[in-house]
Amino acid sequence: LAKTTQPISMDSYEGQEVNITCSHNNIATNDYITWYQQFPSQGPRFIIQGYKTKVTNEVASLFIPADRKSSTLSLPRVSLSDTAVYYCLLNTGTASKLTFGTGTRLQVTL
Amino acid sequence: EPEVTQTPSHQVTQMGQEVILRCVPISNHLYFYWYRQILGQKVEFLVSFYNNEISEKSEIFDDQFSVERPDGSNFTLKIRSTKLEDSAMYFCASSAARQGTYGYTFGSGTRLTVV
Repeated sequence: LAKTTQPISMDSYEGQEVNITCSHNNIATNDYITWYQQFPSQGPRFIIQGYKTKVTNEVASLFIPADRKSSTLSLPRVSLSDTAVYYCLLNTGTASKLTFGTGTRLQVTL
Repeated sequence: EPEVTQTPSHQVTQMGQEVILRCVPISNHLYFYWYRQILGQKVEFLVSFYNNEISEKSEIFDDQFSVERPDGSNFTLKIRSTKLEDSAMYFCASSAARQGTYGYTFGSGTRLTVV
């Protein structure tokens, strides 16, 4: 049973805001929601992590509703360099590993 | 920004040979990991390491694999007798906390090609 579900791919134009939604219906109490970005032939890069409500950093915002069964990664004003695969993961404090799914392939064009 | 450094960036080896992939984690991190990604597939967890011992490993991490932290800075992954199916990108990662409150930092990877 997949822990997270996210769209396989998304397309956007440069300068637009992109929202990638992730579903995690079976999230556990001690799970944090974490997003990573991966460019081809590079290691994943941590973007943002949250537990509930809203988290914002210099790169993105993460919106988590009260029931925590989904989350939305928001990338403001994307550029061509944001073309990458974005992974939504549940990061539990009781296990030391990250479980990656297939992610969302974001393609940004002019 | 602190980085996880991996060497070599690309290694070609013959089937049956031993390879050692090297990583220098971020200096104040305490948890270390190896992941791999076969071309076109998901990033897969191999092993986690803390306090000089393996804390968790996957089914992939069989007796052909071993990890070591030989000194205070390096973290290595050894594959004793490589197989064709070991060809993949291998990523080292480190974190300050087990839960990775600030995320895990991954290296740029070593592309291992077994011929």
